[in-house]
Amino acid sequence: DIVMTQSPDSLAVSLGERATINCKSSQSILYSSDNKNYLAWYQQKPGQPPKLLIYWASTRASGVPDRFSGSGSGTDFTLTISSLQAEDVADYYCHQYYHTPRTFGQGTKVEVK
Amino acid sequence: EVQLVESGGDLVQPGGSLRLSCVGSGFTFGSYWMAWVRQAPGKGLEWVAYMKEDGGEIYYVDSVKGRFTISRDNTKNSLYLQMNSLRVEDTAVYYCARGVYDFDFWGQGTLVTVSS
Repeated sequence: DIVMTQSPDSLAVSLGERATINCKSSQSILYSSDNKNYLAWYQQKPGQPPKLLIYWASTRASGVPDRFSGSGSGTDFTLTISSLQAEDVADYYCHQYYHTPRTFGQGTKVEVK
Repeated sequence: EVQLVESGGDLVQPGGSLRLSCVGSGFTFGSYWMAWVRQAPGKGLEWVAYMKEDGGEIYYVDSVKGRFTISRDNTKNSLYLQMNSLRVEDTAVYYCARGVYDFDFWGQGTLVTVSS
């Protein structure tokens, strides 16, 4: 199974500042035949289901603000919130869909400092 | 508007059974892979199973193989999860989600509690 490891487990960022979450996979999730990284990012607010933010490692889902961006390739990926807003307080998860079983990172809790 | 609505969650004793349902609307249900993903209280997300549009391919996480069965009825826009031999560690909110790669839409979830 592909293990997804996020860091940090939690972070506190001032409003308007940058938040960066890292995700590392135990093996490459870059598929050579299509040159795509099989990785997504989700946001989950308390009491709500997860919401897709980013897919193919860097493509924003419909309606997602452009302060959210994804980057990385192979085994190392990053979700960046360029200017934290109060409504961004949530848990964030990375997810690999390169291989079955699908696996998620353990989550990163983002709070306001 | 895409909507997924789960139902069927309940309190059940260890060893018991439960059947979850998910009804989709706002999209052509029969054209999408569908999945179940669960989240234990205070914990992270765990993919449970998914099924191809026509039911021709089905995959499960190892921990539920032989105990859970995913199925669908495209005429009713519905996805199901039959859960047998339930264990305390199956306690979770179970989400229905659309997709085989990223999961682009999720239901609100239904809570399954396994306890004596």
